[in-house]
Amino acid sequence: DTEVTQTPKHLVMGMTNKKSLKCEQHMGHRAMYWYKQKAKKPPELMFVYSYEKLSINESVPSRFSPECPNSSLLNLHLHALQPEDSALYLCASRGGRTDTQYFGPGTRLTVL
Amino acid sequence: LAKTTQPISMDSYEGQEVNITCSHNNIATNDYITWYQQFPSQGPRFIIQGYKTKVTNEVASLFIPADRKSSTLSLPRVSLSDTAVYYCLVGAGGGGFKTIFGAGTRLFVKA
Repeated sequence: DTEVTQTPKHLVMGMTNKKSLKCEQHMGHRAMYWYKQKAKKPPELMFVYSYEKLSINESVPSRFSPECPNSSLLNLHLHALQPEDSALYLCASRGGRTDTQYFGPGTRLTVL
Repeated sequence: LAKTTQPISMDSYEGQEVNITCSHNNIATNDYITWYQQFPSQGPRFIIQGYKTKVTNEVASLFIPADRKSSTLSLPRVSLSDTAVYYCLVGAGGGGFKTIFGAGTRLFVKA
């Protein structure tokens, strides 16, 4: 099973809402990632959990909050987002000694 | 960080072979070279990975010269469904912030 699943597929939220994105993998990978991708741009790495230890892209605002409940699950908590946060949010996991990442289908987020 | 440089876009016709070259002049000794394909509104999909010389799988070949400062993804006999963005990534097993997506190459396959 080389699948990474993400829910929901689409999310529309207001600037005062609190929502969460979810990601799951069952490949036994110990590294998981959140990326943000704007239209016609490459994915931009936001957060990395490696063996459940968090690394942060310092440019990501605090209204994004990651959580790794266990090695198979990854959440991204959203609060007080801005319209410019509208994007495709991708989750990926990586395992083994090489740098192969397996991506989920993404969550299309729209902030009104 | 090993920065990568690719052509911004390429056009091709169905049935042709397409070669996309990626430059990575400061590749480190333990870095692998990985190519991904991405369709609109989908996550990137792993295509092929190599360390040196040539690697071939059922969808593509990857050519890496001896100095490893560049690599070429070869797609044989492309079809319309190969229209996508192709990313070359260079990194070691540490992944994460040591491996950054470059701008990618937009391949457009015409009938």
